[in-house]
Amino acid sequence: EVVLTQSPATLSLSPGERATLSCRASQSVGSFLAWYQQKPGQAPRLLIYDASNRATGIPARFSGSGSGTDFTLTISSLEPEDFAFYYCQQRSDWPPFTFGQGTRLEIK
Amino acid sequence: EVQLVESGGGLVQPGGSLRLSCAASGFTFSTFWMNWVRQAPGKGLEWVANIKPDGSEKYYVDSVKGRFTVSRDNAKNSLYLQMNSLRVEDTGVYYCARDLSAAGNFDYWGQGTPVTVSS
Repeated sequence: EVVLTQSPATLSLSPGERATLSCRASQSVGSFLAWYQQKPGQAPRLLIYDASNRATGIPARFSGSGSGTDFTLTISSLEPEDFAFYYCQQRSDWPPFTFGQGTRLEIK
Repeated sequence: EVQLVESGGGLVQPGGSLRLSCAASGFTFSTFWMNWVRQAPGKGLEWVANIKPDGSEKYYVDSVKGRFTVSRDNAKNSLYLQMNSLRVEDTGVYYCARDLSAAGNFDYWGQGTPVTVSS
């Protein structure tokens, strides 16, 4: 099973700042990595799929990069609505599909 | 507009059973892989099971194999999860999710249905 490790666990930033979230896989997943955003009490929302492709309707301030075992989600300039939990997820080696433990992005 | 609406969650004793449903609309249900993903209270996401568009292939996370069964009725645009021999650790919110790419990109999610396993 592919284990995904996200860092940091919590990221404290202010609106307008740049956010960089990391996800490391226990083995290569190629480019088969996605990022999701989840706000309290809501379902997750797909942001990025296959490492760098923005999902439908996702603003351009969200971008993804990486391949193999190291991936990054970047939010170029934080908006108030971006403060949430973020999860990475791999689809390279399944079943099972696996998720990282999450990064909480909080307002500083 | 794509919509997924789960139902069937509730409180059940350990060893009991529940059947979750997910009603789909706004897309051609019969052409998409569908998934169940759960989230324990205060925890992260865990993929549970998926099913091929025609129902001929099904896959499960190890912790639910032999206890949970995923199925679908394409005529009714519905996805199901039969959960037997429930354990306390099965407690959480269960989401159904559509697969964008036929192998693990979950592009639409329902609002979730809560399951509590407790005596």
